[in-house]
Amino acid sequence: GAGVSQSPRYKVTKRGQDVALRCDPISGHVSLYWYRQALGQGPEFLTYFNYEAQQDKSGLPNDRFSAERPEGSISTLTIQRTEQRDSAMYRCASSLGLAGGQSTDTQYFGPGTRLTVL
Amino acid sequence: AQSVAQPEDQVNVAEGNPLTVKCTYSVSGNPYLFWYVQYPNRGLQFLLKYITGDNLVKGSYGFEAEFNKSQTSFHLKKPSALVSDSALYFCAVRDVGGDKLIFGTGTRLQVFP
Repeated sequence: GAGVSQSPRYKVTKRGQDVALRCDPISGHVSLYWYRQALGQGPEFLTYFNYEAQQDKSGLPNDRFSAERPEGSISTLTIQRTEQRDSAMYRCASSLGLAGGQSTDTQYFGPGTRLTVL
Repeated sequence: AQSVAQPEDQVNVAEGNPLTVKCTYSVSGNPYLFWYVQYPNRGLQFLLKYITGDNLVKGSYGFEAEFNKSQTSFHLKKPSALVSDSALYFCAVRDVGGDKLIFGTGTRLQVFP
């Protein structure tokens, strides 16, 4: 079946502009995660959802970053007033998700959105 | 705090030879460990995971990993490397009490013909 999709694949914006990054998870997956990956580094957690509920946003670097998943499927990560330091690969992942307790599910990643802030 | 370390930035191996990509972890409680591979211009692909049970875990593309509790390691292995295995490999651990993954810095594997 279809995997996780993200759009756009590449986004170039000017400093100060707002950007919205979209993630469409694998159909039926309850959990959705956002990570950010700087060049030469591993992905770092930003936030995650179970259904439409944001469970953990401890990785969002500041209040310019926000995410939503209003219908429990597609999610949008929004960065307001972008800065050059926001340039990175933004990765989305989804997993089946289990009700309650700690999930051992595999997270499946999308292709990522490469954000460049000029 | 949970963490993983990948001590080698790059591993070079000749095609047909066995390969090992190292990973050590630090967690409180039982570790849930994962390996992912990243090919150029593509997303992270899941290779294998250790949750519990047999210390030798088999995964995709002929890869396997050995969980060693006493050495707190989870090294990725393959008996015979292919040129097409050349990629960036990430080890990750599930955060205890949460669902996020904590990744290492990655190891670039280069397989030479």
